Amino acid sequence: KQEVTQIPAALSVPEGENLVLNCSFTDSAIYNLQWFRQDPGKGLTSLLLIQSSQREQTSGRLNASLDKSSGRSTLYIAASQPGDSATYLCAVRRRAGNNRKLIWGLGTSLAVNP
Amino acid sequence: EAQVTQNPRYLITVTGKKLTVTCSQNMNHEYMSWYRQDPGLGLRQIYYSMNVEVTDKGDVPEGYKVSRKEKRNFPLILESPSPNQTSLYFCASSLSTGAKNIQYFGAGTRLSVL
Repeated sequence: KQEVTQIPAALSVPEGENLVLNCSFTDSAIYNLQWFRQDPGKGLTSLLLIQSSQREQTSGRLNASLDKSSGRSTLYIAASQPGDSATYLCAVRRRAGNNRKLIWGLGTSLAVNP
Repeated sequence: EAQVTQNPRYLITVTGKKLTVTCSQNMNHEYMSWYRQDPGLGLRQIYYSMNVEVTDKGDVPEGYKVSRKEKRNFPLILESPSPNQTSLYFCASSLSTGAKNIQYFGAGTRLSVL
């Protein structure tokens, strides 16, 4: 059974710091891994999608890596800003079955302090 | 603008009073699903639909119904709501469940059942 774990559960950093959020999964049979951002009162926004055949994806100050063999992904945020404060969720899309649903971590709540 | 639209955003109701949460997407996506999000439990899939007239249960389908009569709409029906269905609900869609397909989310519906 696929399980997704995110560490740490919460993180508080001063503005300008580079930071890394971690996501681990137990079954390497995945189609892709996605990182999402969730703001209070708003829906989830997809940040980066890494296909199972890829090692990393970049978008602006964000870089996500994927190591299937070890069951790990990291989200690197460079030069953090107060506007980055949100909950960050990772999810893997499993290969097995017709559903191919997303399996979710519980998220990392990030606070970037001015 | 590509979007997933849920209504209502907030709903307070009483036990046993039937309600429907609507979901509509304008991206011609085939795959749609409903999630509920609860503290400490994360996002759990309620129902999903692979295409028109094709729906199936997710992880927590008890007490819910769905229908997919048109490609763009995927309403969530609670025939007799109970307090344990108090939660934050999200509708999501993607073109399919392939490796490249990003999942798009609605803004969420916060439901309180008294």
